[in-house]
Amino acid sequence: DGGITQSPKYLFRKEGQNVTLSCEQNLNHDAMYWYRQDPGQGLRLIYYSQIVNDFQKGDIAEGYSVSREKKESFPLTVTSAQKNPTAFYLCASIGPNQPQHFGDGTRLSIL
Amino acid sequence: GQQVMQIPQYQHVQEGEDFTTYCNSSTTLSNIQWYKQRPGGHPVFLIQLVKSGEVKKQKRLTFQFGEAKKNSSLHITATQTTDVGTYFCAGRRSAGGTSYGKLTFGQGTILTVHP
Repeated sequence: DGGITQSPKYLFRKEGQNVTLSCEQNLNHDAMYWYRQDPGQGLRLIYYSQIVNDFQKGDIAEGYSVSREKKESFPLTVTSAQKNPTAFYLCASIGPNQPQHFGDGTRLSIL
Repeated sequence: GQQVMQIPQYQHVQEGEDFTTYCNSSTTLSNIQWYKQRPGGHPVFLIQLVKSGEVKKQKRLTFQFGEAKKNSSLHITATQTTDVGTYFCAGRRSAGGTSYGKLTFGQGTILTVHP
């Protein structure tokens, strides 16, 4: 069954800690995206990648980092520099002539 | 940078009433997409509009793309409780080739339907 898998579903971060959110897709999509959603808000783009080993900053990249070593995987690291990390994080991918497919999301909270 | 404004932020309706949400971009779009997000869920793609003045229908949902390709609307006729959720528009500026570009999302309209 093709799709996007995000893990974990819930994540807690301590002060000064980096945490990594996983996003894997088996749709053979070239482009992958990370969004942040705050309660009652729209989706804001953090980073996106259109090809392996390449990625671009979105609108709110500060305090986050990504890598794209494999086509299927686009992990997001929330660094300690991100002072307000509590949010719902959504990963998405897109292929030719297709809409964006979203994963189920990861809810990150501060301990 | 590109901005996509969506109104209203909230809409409460009685079941059977109609509902409309509007989306306006600061720049001309190559296409606009609409998504629905149920409470606690992730956005699910509804439709994409590409042509100037395009109108598409999905059962009780009617989607329009403005002539200038800068605004769009989603209209639901005779709402049902299953329509509850947040409706997002998302505009794309670049298109074609292997470049997928960025989608800029509106803030969403949260629809509540009272039975």
